[in-house]
Formats: sequence, structure tokens, C-alpha cells
Amino acid sequence: KNQVEQSPQSLIILEGKNCTLQCNYTVSPFSNLRWYKQDTGRGPVSLTIMTFSENTKSNGRYTATLDADTKQSSLHITASQLSDSASYICVVRREGSQGNLIFGKGTKLSVKP
Amino acid sequence: DTGVSQNPRHKITKRGQNVTFRCDPISEHNRLYWYRQTLGQGPEFLTYFQNEAQLEKSRLLSDRFSAERPKGSFSTLEIQRTEQGDSAMYLCASGFEVLDTIYFGEGSWLTVV
Repeated sequence: KNQVEQSPQSLIILEGKNCTLQCNYTVSPFSNLRWYKQDTGRGPVSLTIMTFSENTKSNGRYTATLDADTKQSSLHITASQLSDSASYICVVRREGSQGNLIFGKGTKLSVKP
Repeated sequence: DTGVSQNPRHKITKRGQNVTFRCDPISEHNRLYWYRQTLGQGPEFLTYFQNEAQLEKSRLLSDRFSAERPKGSFSTLEIQRTEQGDSAMYLCASGFEVLDTIYFGEGSWLTVV
């Protein structure tokens, strides 16, 4: 079954600290993997998108990694800020399906002062 | 604002009534997607349009749900005979084929009472 699993489910960190969120997927055939940030009650906003051949991609303080062999991805947030408090969702597109993105349930990150 | 626009943002309706949501994608985006998201869950795919053609449709989209994109620009999602289980946020997204980046709207919240 095509699934995307994220861990941890929730995470609390202090402002200025780093953190890493995990994503494991069983989606096949794989096309690409995306990380989105979703503030409560808002639509998701794209952070990164990676294809099979890309191992690392950065967007400011966000760095995503992808290991297509083990079907794992991580999102590393550096020097966290209060505004980073949100849900971070891992999304995988199946090859051959343009519309059916498969979303994880997200990791809810809370950054405390 | 040139992002994806959804209306209405909030809708409260009685069970059994019909509701319609509208999505205006980013201009020139030929791809349009509808997703549904319930609390604590990631978005679930409903349907996908390329221009005016509805190319993919989830099994979640029961016969009470219908989506249209008549001129390849805006789209509507209609839910007939609403049920309490339809209460969710309905997300619209648009994208451009070449870049494969998908931009989400702010969502339309539906509460069925």
C-alpha cells in the first residue's frame, strides 16, 4: 500500500535550537518527494521538492535529505524561530500519477521562547 | 494577491443541504487539484484537472461530490446532500506542468450540523 509515515508526531523545542523531522514512505513507483509547512487553519506552503537523483536540498534554514534506496527523507531546521511553529508534511508523488499526491499526517512542531 | 483563491473560506450548513466551493487558481496554471483535510490528518486527494479535463478522481469522491473546471480556469466543487462526515477543510491547489510545483489555497472550511 502506498503510504507516507512521519515521526515524531509532535515536537517541542526551544527557540534557537535545531531539529530533524523524519519521513518514511512505501510509495512506488516513486517520482518525487516534497516537504510542506502548514500553519494552523491555512493551506500548505512548499519548502522543498526532490527527485530520485537528489540527496539534499536546502531552502534557507530548511535542509531536506532523501535516501531513495531506504525510502527515507528528513527535514532539518536550523536555528529555529518562533514562526517555525507549524505542521510539517512530507508528500510523495507516484510516478504516473499527476494528481494523487500522498501526504503524511505531519509533524506538529512547537518552538517555545 | 496572485495566489490560489478559495471561496467561501467558511461554510456552516445543515445536513442534507448542498454546498459549492469555488477555486480560482494562479493564472496560467493548467493543473488544478482538490484535496480534503480533517483535523490531525494530512490532505487526501479528491480530484485533478489538467486544463478543463478531469483526469484523475479518487474513490473518496462519492457520487455526492462533483467537480468542474468548465473553461480551464476556475473550478467548483459541489457536495450534494451533505453529511456530518463531510465536515473538513477543502483545499484547492494549482500548478504548472513544467515546474511541477503545487501551490495551495487557504482552504474552505465546511461544518455540517
